[in-house]
Amino acid sequence: GAVVSQHPSRVICKSGTSVKIECRSLDFQATTMFWYRQFPKQSLMLMATSNEGSKATYEQGVEKDKFLINHASLTLSTLTVTSAHPEDSSFYICSAKDLLWSNYLRTDTQYFGPGTRLTVL
Amino acid sequence: AQKITQTQPGMFVQEKEAVTLDCTYDTSDPSYGLFWYKQPSSGEMIFLIYQGSYDQQNATEGRYSLNFQKARKSANLVISASQLGDSAMYFCAMREGGSGGSNYKLTFGKGTLLTVNP
Repeated sequence: GAVVSQHPSRVICKSGTSVKIECRSLDFQATTMFWYRQFPKQSLMLMATSNEGSKATYEQGVEKDKFLINHASLTLSTLTVTSAHPEDSSFYICSAKDLLWSNYLRTDTQYFGPGTRLTVL
Repeated sequence: AQKITQTQPGMFVQEKEAVTLDCTYDTSDPSYGLFWYKQPSSGEMIFLIYQGSYDQQNATEGRYSLNFQKARKSANLVISASQLGDSAMYFCAMREGGSGGSNYKLTFGKGTLLTVNP
């Protein structure tokens, strides 16, 4: 399957600082990437849909000014958690859709990155 | 109403036996896709299998098969010949709308924690 990377895998920061998380599709182009949040022992909750060259679409209840998303190229999307607080501590995971492969297979398989564990002190 | 329901918070199976993980879904869209992902303790989400709403046959991928019962709106995952490495969290997910459309969002169930005993 397609490979998606995330960096960093783990980050610890002080309250009030900003943290940037990168999501890269390594061997395919992704016009759309997704950002999810997962609390311990819970399911994945979609935060936003990141579209290359346009503004991200945020899910209801997600603060767009707090979670800044930039999708500057077909292989890179970034999530910046601004002025992080302890309640932002969570597992953040991105996914990307392989545009060409999906159109060929007529599927919508999303390939996930390994995730970033954020701890805000 | 929940769009994806996984009623089994935890399941146990003996090594080499088969196990079925339940998933029911709710949608009024005639075109949709169903997915199963595996999440080991490391956190990565591993794609296992996909079933499209118009697919005539049940999907299979190696030891994984999807028991798709459209009228019942169920998409159970069957793992044959369980291995110790199968111990993980398993999530069922749904995409509503056609695969060629613009709505690629996935809705996930709450997951089932599978433990394979030696």
